[in-house]
Amino acid sequence: QVLLQQWGAGLLKPSETLSLTCGVSGESFSDYQWSWIRQPPGKGLEWIGEINLGGTTNYDPSLQSRVTISIDRSKNQFSLKLNFVTAADTAIYYCARATDFWSYYLDSWGQGTPVTVSS
Amino acid sequence: DIQMTQSPSSLSASVGDRVTITCRASQSVNTYLNWYQQRPGKAPQLLIYAASSLPSGVPSRFSGSASGTQFALTINGLQPEDFATYYCQQTYTSPRTFGPGTKVEIK
Repeated sequence: QVLLQQWGAGLLKPSETLSLTCGVSGESFSDYQWSWIRQPPGKGLEWIGEINLGGTTNYDPSLQSRVTISIDRSKNQFSLKLNFVTAADTAIYYCARATDFWSYYLDSWGQGTPVTVSS
Repeated sequence: DIQMTQSPSSLSASVGDRVTITCRASQSVNTYLNWYQQRPGKAPQLLIYAASSLPSGVPSRFSGSASGTQFALTINGLQPEDFATYYCQQTYTSPRTFGPGTKVEIK
């Protein structure tokens, strides 16, 4: 049973950098892709981006200029950085595992990290 | 980007009811369409993948179907634990966009 545990700073000031990490345990790290999703307060899910084991990334175009997703295979971890945050980046951030075999779906999720951006 | 719409945005139903939620993609996503259930205060959980496949552990009262760019999630015999918000997501191409969600409430 895979377990995704995420951590990072939950309170930021405008213009700071959001930094979150997701640790993966319980199953192989190498057979999947890894994603970040966020959910603003009272709103729906927003896909942020993804990374595969080779380090290839895809990002949502609206965030592409500010976001970096990276992977550390030696630690079974992947990370999210979002630069120059504003109040609009206040959300619960989730990491998730993507199975990409004959279809593509997010089958395991982290517990979520609330991030608030406020001066 | 592929846009996803869902209808209705919310609905009220009773335990035992049959409920259908619709999701439409702005262009073909083949069957790269997934459904997630999110209970209040919890992380989303995968409910249906590849338009109609159930992951292990998901009750058989949940089913998914597809017709072109229109997809449906049906719950046959709504249970108390099914009152939640349901999201569709296309994973045919990046960005892998979510629908706006459908909130299922108790009547």
